[in-house]
Amino acid sequence: DAGITQSPRYKITETGRQVTLMCHQTWSHSYMFWYRQDLGHGLRLIYYSAAADITDKGEVPDGYVVSRSKTENFPLTLESATRSQTSVYFCASGGRRGTYEQYFGPGTRLTVT
Amino acid sequence: DAKTTQPTSMDCAEGRAANLPCNHSTISGNEYVYWYRQIHSQGPQYIIHGLKNNETNEMASLIITEDRKSSTLILPHATLRDTAVYYCIVRVRGTSYGKLTFGQGTILTVHP
Repeated sequence: DAGITQSPRYKITETGRQVTLMCHQTWSHSYMFWYRQDLGHGLRLIYYSAAADITDKGEVPDGYVVSRSKTENFPLTLESATRSQTSVYFCASGGRRGTYEQYFGPGTRLTVT
Repeated sequence: DAKTTQPTSMDCAEGRAANLPCNHSTISGNEYVYWYRQIHSQGPQYIIHGLKNNETNEMASLIITEDRKSSTLILPHATLRDTAVYYCIVRVRGTSYGKLTFGQGTILTVHP
C-alpha cells in the first residue's frame, strides 16, 4: 500500500552505539524530513531533503547523519548515541515545494540507556 | 509567521460537529492556514489548509473569516477516534522547504 513507513518502531540501544532509523515512502514525494518530538520541546526538525542527494540541516542536526541515495528512502543515523537522543522520531514527506502539506510516518521510539 | 491562539481544550459529543477555533489576527495576505492533528502515540496528520476561501475535504471543513483574522476547523460528525491534539499553523507559501512548528494546540476530547 502507498504510504510512509518507519522501522524499527521501537529501539533500545546503549550509549555510544551507532543506530540507523529507516524511512520509506511510496508517493515519490520530493521532500522528506526527520523530526524529533520531546516533551516540552514539541516537534523539532533534524534534517530535511529536497530530492535525492540533496540534504540540509534543520534546527537540531548535531549527532545525526542522513543520506538520500534514492527518492523513496531517507535513513537517519545516530553516529554515537547519547541519552539526550532518547526521543520519538518522525519521518515525513511532502510533494510540493513551498507548502506545509506533509505526511508523517508512525514514528520510532528510541531509548538510549 | 503570524502567531496563532487556540483554546487549550474542548469537548464534543460523539456524532455532533466539532468546531475548533483559531485566532491569527496578525496574518498577512500571503500566509496560509494549515491544520494538523496528532492522535496519542501517532505521527501528526495533515488535515486541511486554505488561504481565504472556505475549504472542504473528506476529513473536515475550514472556514476562514473574511478579514482572515480567525478560522474554524469543523469536523462534521465527530467520532471517538477524532480525540486528538489539533494544531493551527500559519505559514507563508514559497519558502524553500516546509519546516513545521507546532504550538500547544487544542486537546479535543470526543465523548460518547
